[in-house]
Amino acid sequence: DTGVSQNPRHKITKRGQNVTFRCDPISEHNRLYWYRQTLGQGPEFLTYFQNEAQLEKSRLLSDRFSAERPKGSFSTLEIQRTEQGDSAMYLCASSLTLGGATNEKLFFGSGTQLSVL
Amino acid sequence: RKEVEQDPGPFNVPEGATVAFNCTYSNSASQSFFWYRQDCRKEPKLLMSVYSSGNEDGRFTAQLNRASQYISLLIRDSKLSDSATYLCVVSGATNKLIFGTGTLLAVQP
Repeated sequence: DTGVSQNPRHKITKRGQNVTFRCDPISEHNRLYWYRQTLGQGPEFLTYFQNEAQLEKSRLLSDRFSAERPKGSFSTLEIQRTEQGDSAMYLCASSLTLGGATNEKLFFGSGTQLSVL
Repeated sequence: RKEVEQDPGPFNVPEGATVAFNCTYSNSASQSFFWYRQDCRKEPKLLMSVYSSGNEDGRFTAQLNRASQYISLLIRDSKLSDSATYLCVVSGATNKLIFGTGTLLAVQP
């Protein structure tokens, strides 16, 4: 399967614990996005990378959230000291953006469903 | 004001009907526009890009109005399989892609 892969598919944790999610993008894609989605809402932007550089992080994101893409391939999203409000689907997407091209198409993984008890 | 706004619906239409969704965006400098489709409990998938001149793909037509900062999606001859949430996506100030809340379409037999 050469699509975007996310692990784990589901994560149940207790409030206060740390969790880490992994995303493996499509191999030739240089951009990688993290989004969060709750029921009845569209995906909410969290952060994105171009190769290994983190270009932007949402101002709505607290310091408990951190993301890395150390070699410009896979990415991890860590949430420290989880809260019940962190419960959501965490979606990863990748795209290939060339030069100043604006026609960027995202390919999503199946997501990681986080439940904080 | 949200950067991308959509009517959440739901839109309940009979098979064969024509239905239109609108989406407004706040950043006049946005360059890229898309419609994504999301089935229940699935990830979003690209439905179509939206070009300045308007574009059509089978029963689906997308249009962009830069002056009024809105995009639209028209679905003709609705099928049961069109039932899904339709997400409007616009590039933001730093070229990140921003999603609307989505519009739920339910096509009834």
